[in-house]
Formats: sequence, C-alpha cells, structure tokens
Amino acid sequence: AQSVSQHNHHVILSEAASLELGCNYSYGGTVNLFWYVQYPGQHLQLLLKYFSGDPLVKGIKGFEAEFIKSKFSFNLRKPSVQWSDTAEYFCAVNAWNTGNQFYFGTGTSLTVIP
Amino acid sequence: EAQVTQNPRYLITVTGKKLTVTCSQNMNHEYMSWYRQDPGLGLRQIYYSMNVEVTDKGDVPEGYKVSRKEKRNFPLILESPSPNQTSLYFCASSFFGTTFDSTDTQYFGPGTRLTVL
Repeated sequence: AQSVSQHNHHVILSEAASLELGCNYSYGGTVNLFWYVQYPGQHLQLLLKYFSGDPLVKGIKGFEAEFIKSKFSFNLRKPSVQWSDTAEYFCAVNAWNTGNQFYFGTGTSLTVIP
Repeated sequence: EAQVTQNPRYLITVTGKKLTVTCSQNMNHEYMSWYRQDPGLGLRQIYYSMNVEVTDKGDVPEGYKVSRKEKRNFPLILESPSPNQTSLYFCASSFFGTTFDSTDTQYFGPGTRLTVL
C-alpha cells in the first residue's frame, strides 16, 4: 500500500508569517497529488492539485505547492498566512496503477494567531 | 446547487445493530467513495466505486459493505457495528470513473459522525 507522510502535526504561526507544510509519499510511479483543507466543522475542500506539467502549482487563497519528483515530495506553501487559514490540511495521493484509490496523510493542524 | 449529501449527520447506536449511511450526489459523477477520519490517522478510504455495479475495496474495508445500484447513490452499510467503527465518515464523488485528469476533483459531503456504544 502507498503511504503519505505529513511531518508537521501541529503548526502555530502568527499572522503574516510564511507557511510550509511538508508532504512525502512512497509510491515510485506516476501520481496525482492533492492538498485539501478542512476548516473547523466543515468538510474537505480542494486547495490545489498536481497532475502533470509545471511542478509548481497554484491553488486558491494564495496557496501553492511544489512537486519534487526526486524527493517524492509535494510541500504546501503560503507566503503570508491569515487568521482565516486556521484549519487542518491534508495531503493526498492517487497512484495511477493502483486503480482509483486515494491515500491521505494524517493531516496538519494549523493555528494562526492574530 | 452541486453537492454531495449524507444522512444522517449524527448517529449514536449500539453494538450489533445494523445501520446504513446514505450518500447521494447530484452531479452525475461516476466515481464515489467512502472515507473514515480518525484523530492522528487522517482519512482512510473504505470503499470506492467507479460506476454503477462496480465497487472496490479501499484500505480499510473490514466491517463495511457498499452498493452502487444507481449512479447518484452510494450507501455505506455496517451490518454489525462495533465500537472501533466510531468515527467521522465522509462520502466523496468525482466525474471520472477510470482516471482523473486536471479538470476533475473530488467533492466531499458534510460528514456523518457515528458513535457505536
């Protein structure tokens, strides 16, 4: 089975600080990569995704992520966080030759202090 | 409005009492999936379906059943629930059933919080 690792379980930042959340996956073949956000009490929403092409992908709300194939990584970044970014963030992988299974990381809880 | 709906949203039951959590989508999506979310474990896929009458096991299928008789519905059945199935359950759907492309994304339902006593 594939695995997805999110190294930061809890992150606390002040507003305007920069954010980088790590995500590594174990599968060596072709993958589709996603970051989802879950605001308190809400369901998951897609932030951004990578399928092919430019390894730097931009998503909603100023988030971006960089796919580094050699490092099996897909780290999420935002240059300046806001209080409204307080949420849980999940990295997910869909590996092509395992059908349409999705593998999620354990999540990173981000708290932004005003 | 495009959406994935789940019912019930909250359920408290007892060990061994069969239950069904319904999931419905109004987007004519081919792909539907069930996940459970547990603290420290993230989301784990239980079952998924790539089209009507086509279902496959995810990572944690034990103790669950699903069916896909209609495109829009994908119920999750717990024949004999146990306390270790206490969790937050999410249904999701997306358009493509065989492979995703850059235009596709999974839409998640609001979640069902299940407690098995």
